[in-house]
Amino acid sequence: EPEVTQTPSHQVTQMGQEVILRCVPISNHLYFYWYRQILGQKVEFLVSFYNNEISEKSEIFDDQFSVERPDGSNFTLKIRSTKLEDSAMYFCASSGLLGGPQHFGDGTRLSIL
Amino acid sequence: AQSVSQHNHHVILSEAASLELGCNYSYGGTVNLFWYVQYPGQHLQLLLKYFSGDPLVKGIKGFEAEFIKSKFSFNLRKPSVQWSDTAEYFCAGATTDSWGKLQFGAGTQVVVTP
Repeated sequence: EPEVTQTPSHQVTQMGQEVILRCVPISNHLYFYWYRQILGQKVEFLVSFYNNEISEKSEIFDDQFSVERPDGSNFTLKIRSTKLEDSAMYFCASSGLLGGPQHFGDGTRLSIL
Repeated sequence: AQSVSQHNHHVILSEAASLELGCNYSYGGTVNLFWYVQYPGQHLQLLLKYFSGDPLVKGIKGFEAEFIKSKFSFNLRKPSVQWSDTAEYFCAGATTDSWGKLQFGAGTQVVVTP
């Protein structure tokens, strides 16, 4: 079964540094998403992306965050200047249809020191 | 505000027992609802989904869920659990305003003892 893959599985970064989280969505999917889960809290929506632009973003997704699909296979989340509170598990997901089931990757655990 | 809530944070039961996990949503209008499962060390996997039609939805691994519009509920059930059902279970929903934006419940950790 096709899978969403995320790299790295764990990223440790100093506060204030930029970090890029990478995702390879399922190849024929058109809709891409990022979620995060801070330890002990709910999984939270960050952003959705379709046709090379952001479809929707949450309040969390401020100017420090950006997403990009640099080529036909990768989907990245960049955090420009990381803060301690950005420490979380970040999940990438993709779907073939808007509103269809979203398929999730294993997540990247981001630890900000 | 639109939200999804799960009643139980932690459930422990024996093999062959029946399982029911509660989920309530607070959306008005049309809603898509999902149950996801996360086995230890693995990614979120879709168990089942409800879009419309028959309110009793059957999913993988013997799970089912019932959409009760009048109660704003979408409870997950399995008649007889196995040790391999030990996992965290998440209810999630999305509305016509934001089809792609899944809102998750807090999750229920289910431990099945042999």
